[in-house]
Amino acid sequence: DTAVSQTPKYLVTQMGNDKSIKCEQNLGHDTMYWYKQDSKKFLKIMFSYNNKELIINETVPNRFSPKSPDKAHLNLHINSLELGDSAVYFCASRRAYRGEQYFGPGTRLTVT
Amino acid sequence: DQQVKQNSPSLSVQEGRISILNCDYTNSMFDYFLWYKKYPAEGPTFLISISSIKDKNEDGRFTVFLNKSAKHLSLHIVPSQPGDSAVYFCAADLAGGTSYGKLTFGQGTILTVHP
Repeated sequence: DTAVSQTPKYLVTQMGNDKSIKCEQNLGHDTMYWYKQDSKKFLKIMFSYNNKELIINETVPNRFSPKSPDKAHLNLHINSLELGDSAVYFCASRRAYRGEQYFGPGTRLTVT
Repeated sequence: DQQVKQNSPSLSVQEGRISILNCDYTNSMFDYFLWYKKYPAEGPTFLISISSIKDKNEDGRFTVFLNKSAKHLSLHIVPSQPGDSAVYFCAADLAGGTSYGKLTFGQGTILTVHP
């Protein structure tokens, strides 16, 4: 009965590879987010989709591309992975434009 | 340009006592504030929030206080329990909901509650 789930939980890959992280929420929320927690532990927003429409696109390298096939899913695809992409990536969702966001368990990406 | 700051990286408290976690912000356009708790290898879990029209919000052992003139909020946990040991993040949202939920997070405070 996980509300927001992410796969995989851990991802180890080499520089230059392309990888995807999947996120699904079963809360019926309209808005979903991707956050990155870097080595200094800051949580920073990357993208947000509302009903499959991109509404937040922070200054993120264009190697990162979110895709929302439906409002319950928001995937993150990363091309040409770099060492600096190593971080924990969190997916989150929210019902409307105000209120708390519910986070997934995170995906720890390690680029070697 | 860190708009939300948690200046105490860590806090250690005895079980049963009060834990006070602090957060400062610089952007006067923030009008909605949230506290999250995070255990290792898990995602942040929502604890409590407060709108700028209030100065206090309570939920069980958790109370959040907001001082808009000082641009400061605090989370009080009374009584503290060992299970409260976690990283606590404060987050802020912009006025009117026009940010679409673009939360700005502080860097977190590690709370340790000793039995």
